[in-house]
Amino acid sequence: DTEVTQTPKHLVMGMTNKKSLKCEQHMGHRAMYWYKQKAKKPPELMFVYSYEKLSINESVPSRFSPECPNSSLLNLHLHALQPEDSALYLCASSQDGSFAEYFGPGTRLLVL
Amino acid sequence: AQKITQTQPGMFVQEKEAVTLDCTYDTSDQSYGLFWYKQPSSGEMIFLIYQGSYDEQNATEGRYSLNFQKARKSANLVISASQLGDSAMYFCAMRELGNQFYFGTGTSLTVIP
Repeated sequence: DTEVTQTPKHLVMGMTNKKSLKCEQHMGHRAMYWYKQKAKKPPELMFVYSYEKLSINESVPSRFSPECPNSSLLNLHLHALQPEDSALYLCASSQDGSFAEYFGPGTRLLVL
Repeated sequence: AQKITQTQPGMFVQEKEAVTLDCTYDTSDQSYGLFWYKQPSSGEMIFLIYQGSYDEQNATEGRYSLNFQKARKSANLVISASQLGDSAMYFCAMRELGNQFYFGTGTSLTVIP
């Protein structure tokens, strides 16, 4: 099973809302990632979790709050977002020490 | 300096023809991996092919092959017998050992019937 799942597929939220994105993998991978991708641009790394601990935060605003409850799950909590945060949010995972990252289908977020 | 360079923002290819998407990379590490991903309009990043820096043979996966020229630091993707479903954005990426992925800016491929 080389699948990474993400929910929801689409999300529309107002600037005062609080919502969460969810990512799940059952490949036994110990590294999980959040990326933000704007249209026609490459993905930009936001956070990296390694063995359930946050190892990289690419200077992401605090209105994005990641959480890794266990080795299979990764959440991204959203609060007080801005319209410019509208993007495709991709989750990925990789085996520790392995090069390959496997991506989920993404969540398309629209902030009004 | 850019770690990954893709110089072709857009490419067109006739159905059933082969097409080469260019990628050059910059690293001083001996151990690294090179990847190609396909991203259709649906958004999912689909892993296509991987080449390790120590691999002497060019990687192949079905209709995809990676033309690895280590001395020139190039890792071009060759798609043979193009199909309409190949129309998508293609990203070249590199990972140095223990480091994050570096993505290129992508090439938008359109297959013409």
